[in-house]
Amino acid sequence: EPEVTQTPSHQVTQMGQEVILRCVPISNHLYFYWYRQILGQKVEFLVSFYNNEISEKSEIFDDQFSVERPDGSNFTLKIRSTKLEDSAMYFCASRGTNSNQPQHFGDGTRLSIL
Amino acid sequence: QKEVEQNSGPLSVPEGAIASLNCTYSDRGSQSFFWYRQYSGKSPELIMFIYSNGDKEDGRFTAQLNKASQYVSLLIRDSQPSDSATYLCAVRGGNNRKLIWGLGTSLAVNP
Repeated sequence: EPEVTQTPSHQVTQMGQEVILRCVPISNHLYFYWYRQILGQKVEFLVSFYNNEISEKSEIFDDQFSVERPDGSNFTLKIRSTKLEDSAMYFCASRGTNSNQPQHFGDGTRLSIL
Repeated sequence: QKEVEQNSGPLSVPEGAIASLNCTYSDRGSQSFFWYRQYSGKSPELIMFIYSNGDKEDGRFTAQLNKASQYVSLLIRDSQPSDSATYLCAVRGGNNRKLIWGLGTSLAVNP
């Protein structure tokens, strides 16, 4: 069964450094998402992406964050200058064209900011 | 502020019993409703989704939706210890593509 893959599984970064989290969505999916989950808290929406542009973003997704689809398969989340509070699990998800279809999640990247 | 509420639990049931998980949502325009299972330190895994009023069954799982009451539930029949996890309710609004998530209900199935 096709799946969403994320790399790396764990990223440790010094505060203030840039980090790029990578995702390969399911190949025939057109809608892509990033979520984060701070330990013990809710899953929080960050951004959705369709047709090579951001379709929606949350208040969390400020100027420090950016997303890109650099080629036909990868979907990346960049955090420009990381803060301690960026430490969380980051999940990538994708779905097909029908708006009622579910989103399928990758295994996540655990980001630890020191 | 659109909200999704779940009882955080823990909900403890004996093996073989029916586990009932509940979720309420505030946005009347919500269109699609999803139940995900999340093991500790893992990503959410889709269990079921529903978008019409009534029941939807898939194996041991039944999702129930009542849009008038803004209520969605998940029943797990013949609960197994491997069902022990946190169950997340997620709701997609009418004009929004994003999912709004509940905090999740922790389920413990005791052998």
